Amino acid sequence: NAGVMQNPRHLVRRRGQEARLRCSPMKGHSHVYWYRQLPEEGLKFMVYLQKENIIDESGMPKERFSAEFPKEGPSILRIQQVVRGDSAAYFCASQLDRGNGYTFGSGTRLTVV
Amino acid sequence: RKEVEQDPGPFNVPEGATVAFNCTYSNSASQSFFWYRQDCRKEPKLLMSVYSSGNEDGRFTAQLNRASQYISLLIRDSKLSDSATYLCVVNMRPGTASKLTFGTGTRLQVTL
Repeated sequence: NAGVMQNPRHLVRRRGQEARLRCSPMKGHSHVYWYRQLPEEGLKFMVYLQKENIIDESGMPKERFSAEFPKEGPSILRIQQVVRGDSAAYFCASQLDRGNGYTFGSGTRLTVV
Repeated sequence: RKEVEQDPGPFNVPEGATVAFNCTYSNSASQSFFWYRQDCRKEPKLLMSVYSSGNEDGRFTAQLNRASQYISLLIRDSKLSDSATYLCVVNMRPGTASKLTFGTGTRLQVTL
């Protein structure tokens, strides 16, 4: 039973480019969460999705950021026109049922140069 | 006031010591509580859930005090491998959304 799979592990983008981060939840998990962790800071919630639905995007910046979790395929976090401040570790987590803890993927470390 | 507040540490303890971390949360309606462990540059991993009656898993004991809105984690007989950052985690708004709120973590360094 594979865990939460994220790719790529490391991503380097120039300012103004787009970054696409992928997350495949654990088998049978339909709840997906994206968190961002800035250097030396805690994890900050970004968005919560279920298949084909965004449930809570209160932590996601209104501009340049979007997320989806299509019926088929992984969840995608998309950052358009990246800036240096977007450099962070982005973690995806999945959950079997509400009330349980999450299982995290190993994260994507985005560096904007 | 932060939603979930922890002493950042670091806590430097010798092997074999007992160490305790506390955490406070702001929302009295919170219902689910967890401790996660995060190693440097790795993903957080669930250490244990925290139940109202308190619970133990080997050398680790978690307690919840709803009246005071704090959670604790006790580690007995510390090992070098316990060195990590310990994250206090709370489900602040149970119900339709299951978003977990993370504290910034308490760093533990166990030394010889």
